[in-house]
Amino acid sequence: GQNIDQPTEMTATEGAIVQINCTYQTSGFNGLFWYQQHAGEAPTFLSYNVLDGLEEKGRFSSFLSRSKGYSYLLLKELQMKDSASYLCAVRRGSTLGRLYFGRGTQLTVWP
Amino acid sequence: DTAVSQTPKYLVTQMGNDKSIKCEQNLGHDTMYWYKQDSKKFLKIMFSYNNKELIINETVPNRFSPKSPDKAHLNLHINSLELGDSAVYFCASSQDPTGGYGYTFGSGTRLTVV
Repeated sequence: GQNIDQPTEMTATEGAIVQINCTYQTSGFNGLFWYQQHAGEAPTFLSYNVLDGLEEKGRFSSFLSRSKGYSYLLLKELQMKDSASYLCAVRRGSTLGRLYFGRGTQLTVWP
Repeated sequence: DTAVSQTPKYLVTQMGNDKSIKCEQNLGHDTMYWYKQDSKKFLKIMFSYNNKELIINETVPNRFSPKSPDKAHLNLHINSLELGDSAVYFCASSQDPTGGYGYTFGSGTRLTVV
């Protein structure tokens, strides 16, 4: 099986920086994804890490440490539209990409 | 153009009924999935099909029967609906079975069983 843990809720103010942590325990690890989901909408892809280190993509960055079973999503220059649920997902298997999600972190950005 | 489209968006039905949800993707992807998101927002994989063939079945009750007439379509039929089936069902696709290039999700079907 796999255990994927992330905080349930976080709050921050516009213009700030927020870091959303995710820890996981799984066999057959083959990559970690971050998705953003606004209320009532589909999850949308944000980032993907398969090797250790930091991946930067505009205001969003994602970090992975495979030895520690740890990832974080860093959001800079927060905007009101960043209020959403952020889902950490682990892919298991190299031939069949089963994607297992955490329960999501609900981020609220205040003016 | 919508990349992954599902119909209907909302579905309200009584216990014991049979219903279907349809999904189509125009991305040319080989692999399609059904995910279920429960009331606690937990998104869980149900099935995966690659080129019309079932490759993943995550211990879903056999009341749920996916059907893939071609690689661009993956429908979900549910028999004898139960209250616990109420959830949002998301269809998704990926370029290949490894999912290496990411997954694209449809906008979801909110199923309410009364």
